[in-house]
Amino acid sequence: QSALTQPASVSGSPGQSITISCTGTSSDVGGYNYVSWYQQHPDKAPRLMIYDVSDRPSGVPDRFSGSKSGNTASLTISGLQAEDEADYYCSSYTSSSTFVFGTGTKVTVL
Amino acid sequence: EVQLVESGGGLVQPGGSLRLSCAASGFTFSGYDMHWVRQPTGKGLEWVSTFRSAGDTFYSGSVKGRFTISRENAKSSLYLQMNSLRAGDTAVYYCARGDGGSGEDFDSWGQGTLVTVSS
Repeated sequence: QSALTQPASVSGSPGQSITISCTGTSSDVGGYNYVSWYQQHPDKAPRLMIYDVSDRPSGVPDRFSGSKSGNTASLTISGLQAEDEADYYCSSYTSSSTFVFGTGTKVTVL
Repeated sequence: EVQLVESGGGLVQPGGSLRLSCAASGFTFSGYDMHWVRQPTGKGLEWVSTFRSAGDTFYSGSVKGRFTISRENAKSSLYLQMNSLRAGDTAVYYCARGDGGSGEDFDSWGQGTLVTVSS
């Protein structure tokens, strides 16, 4: 199972919006509404930010949103803040009853 | 409060074995799928294994046949027996909880335990 494809880095200024893409196949992203997104600050454990493509766990700011079209899922951060600077990973359930993560995206707040 | 605490990591020689443990608290352990996810230093996340609450187990192709996941619901504990370890298994290993509903995500994570495979 190959990792889902994400851009290596995305940057934006405070207050701006950025979008991170996550491209898979019809056997993972495109086949299920089980895409999730994780935020990871340096030397910290990952944190769930979006599940089931577009749902937010309690406690996650509403400036984080998710969507999906075909084999590509996206995470959008609106009103970018300094504390959003982190690595972000997507994940999808697969047709093999396994999971696959994305390659990871480093978000920089300029 | 959900807590997941991993232990058992350390330095092991290639070909050796190690057993990781994850102690869970703050929720009804038996009702949740549990997972192991690893992350080599400076690299991305990699799913390793899943133990469903219903009893099914699943493994990534890179560890199948070498690693065995198990759980002890009475002790709220998850385990990962790792045999025939290779340098490529060097990583921080995280224990993660499934979301407990119909979704497929990892809603709580431990702090991780470092496994180093080196001679």
